[in-house]
Amino acid sequence: EVQLVESGGGVVQPGGSLRLSCAASGFNFSNYAMSWVRQAPGKGLEWVSALSGSGLGTYYADSVRGRFTISRDNSKNTLFLQMNSLRADDTALYYCAKIDVVVVVPAKGLHFDYWGQGTLVTVSS
Amino acid sequence: QSALTQPASVSGSPGQSITISCTGTDSDLGSYNLLSWYQHHPGKAPKVLIYEDSKRPSGVSNRFSGSKSGYTASLTISGLQPEDEGDYYCCSYAGSNSFIFGGGTKLTV
Repeated sequence: EVQLVESGGGVVQPGGSLRLSCAASGFNFSNYAMSWVRQAPGKGLEWVSALSGSGLGTYYADSVRGRFTISRDNSKNTLFLQMNSLRADDTALYYCAKIDVVVVVPAKGLHFDYWGQGTLVTVSS
Repeated sequence: QSALTQPASVSGSPGQSITISCTGTDSDLGSYNLLSWYQHHPGKAPKVLIYEDSKRPSGVSNRFSGSKSGYTASLTISGLQPEDEGDYYCCSYAGSNSFIFGGGTKLTV
């Protein structure tokens, strides 16, 4: 059974940093791209970042590029999101999602097939 | 890039069918057959219902179906059940290794 469990959320002041983790199990982690998707309070889903199975290809939404860094440790089946220079509009529930292909290219299978339940990040003074 | 356009809300009675639309541009829906639909109950993990415009993952009820024509995709739910109530999102590959979601549609049964 595929399981994705996020952790690391919390309350942080504007300008601060936070590192999210996503522990994966039930599948061959390195064979799949992974992603972070967030949902601000009362808003819809917003794609944040993705990376390939090897970790060599990393991709970001314009809203977080230059502030967030996505990475993975395939030896520990864990996905990370390092968030720096946090702003109030980064406040959201952050979901980890598995992508059903190994590289993020427009090909068959490119979709989010499993999701975690999210970890809450609140940016407030 | 603006979110894909979905109606804010739809409603239906048990047993009826409803359709949720999702409209994009030539940068996303118009260029790729990579539109997916997700069901989201608050406090739970989102669940994929449809991928590649019209494919249904194993285990997803055949009451859910997807289609696409040009820049507009549709999710149809037939035989509405109370447990279908929740939020529904479309999502498309948007080029340059990125994705774009719709604004979400709240379904009331």
